[in-house]
This record gives sequence, C-alpha cells and structure tokens, in this order.
Amino acid sequence: QSALTQPASVSGSPGQSITISCTGTTNDVGGYKYVSWYQHNPGKAPKLLIYEVNNRPSGVSDRFSGSKSGNTASLTISGLQAEDEADYYCTSYTSTSTVVFGGGTKLTVL
Amino acid sequence: EVQLVESGGGLVQPGGSLKLSCAASAFIYSDSAIHWVRQASGKGLEWVGRVRNKANSYSTAYAASLKGRFTIFRDDSKNTAYLQMNSLKSEDTAVYYCTRSPYFSPGMFDPWGQGTLVTVSS
Repeated sequence: QSALTQPASVSGSPGQSITISCTGTTNDVGGYKYVSWYQHNPGKAPKLLIYEVNNRPSGVSDRFSGSKSGNTASLTISGLQAEDEADYYCTSYTSTSTVVFGGGTKLTVL
Repeated sequence: EVQLVESGGGLVQPGGSLKLSCAASAFIYSDSAIHWVRQASGKGLEWVGRVRNKANSYSTAYAASLKGRFTIFRDDSKNTAYLQMNSLKSEDTAVYYCTRSPYFSPGMFDPWGQGTLVTVSS
C-alpha cells in the first residue's frame, strides 16, 4: 500500500486560507468515507482534526474543514494563525482493512 | 481522563526483539481497536498495524512493509495492547505511538499516547 500523496509544504499569511490535498486511489480515499486529518507538532502526540472526510471532533476549531472529491481529499484551514504552523497528515482506510498515511505537509505561517 | 500510555522503548541491537506496551483507560479500551503508528526521525507518520477488540475476534492487520516481523496482541484483563517486534533493523528506529479507533470508524485515531522511542543500533 503506497502512501497517500500530499504536497511537501504549503504556506500562507495570517488570516488567509490554505488547502492541503491528499490523493489516493479507488482502493483507499476514493472508496471509503474513512478519511481523517491530523495536526502534528514535533515532540507531541498527533491531534485529530477531521474524521470521516468532513467531521470535526468536539474542541477542534471550525477554521478546519475537510472535503473529498473522487480520489482526492482536502483539508482547508481558514483564518490562518501562527499557532497553525505544524505538520499535517491525512489517513485513509483501505480495501485490505489497513490504514495508510499521507507523506505529510509542513505548513508555514509567514 | 481518557488516555493511552506507552512503555517499553529503548536501545536494542540489530536482529534483536523488543515488546512495547500500551495501557489504556478502561473507558475506551473495550470498544476500541488499538493501533501502532511510528515516526522515524525526519520522516512522516507510518501506520504499523492494529488489533481489534474481542467482539471483532481480535483480528489483526499490519503494514505490508513489515513482512511479518511485528505482532500486535492485547490482554483485556490488563486493558493493555502490545507490539512485539522481532528481527529488528536500523530502519525500525523511531518513536512508536499507540492510538485507538472506535469500532465504527476505522482510522479515527483519538487519543494518542505520548510515544516511546525505539533505537536499533549496535
């Protein structure tokens, strides 16, 4: 199972919106609603931001939103803040009952 | 508090074995699949594998890249899951996290443990 494809890096200024893509296949992203997104700061545990494509757990800011079209899922962060600077990962359930991560995207807030 | 706590990391020689533990609070343990995820230095997160709960026959699944070297199992009497790692290689050096997903939403990983460092080196 190959890793899902994410851009290595994205950047934006405070207040702007950015979108991170996550591309897979019909055997993972395109075939299931079980796409999640995580925020990861070095030395800390990853944090769940989005599950089942577009659902936010309680306590996660509504500035984070998710969507999916075909084999590509997307995470949008609106009203960018300095504290959003982190690594972001998508995951998907797969046709072999495993889970696959994206390669990760480093977000820089300019 | 809902939490997961890993233990058992350390230094091991290439070819050696190590067993990691993941102790879960009772509130989440019984309805959850327990997953292991690792991150090598400078690399991204990598799913290692999972064990489902008793209601799902303790079924396991693993990343294909591990080629049968790792085994995940659980002891419900201790609310603890384990990752047995054999034939360790230098490329297995990483921080290993345990996390959980509810039975109804695979891949919904929350919460996570703090991670335990495994170093494979002579």
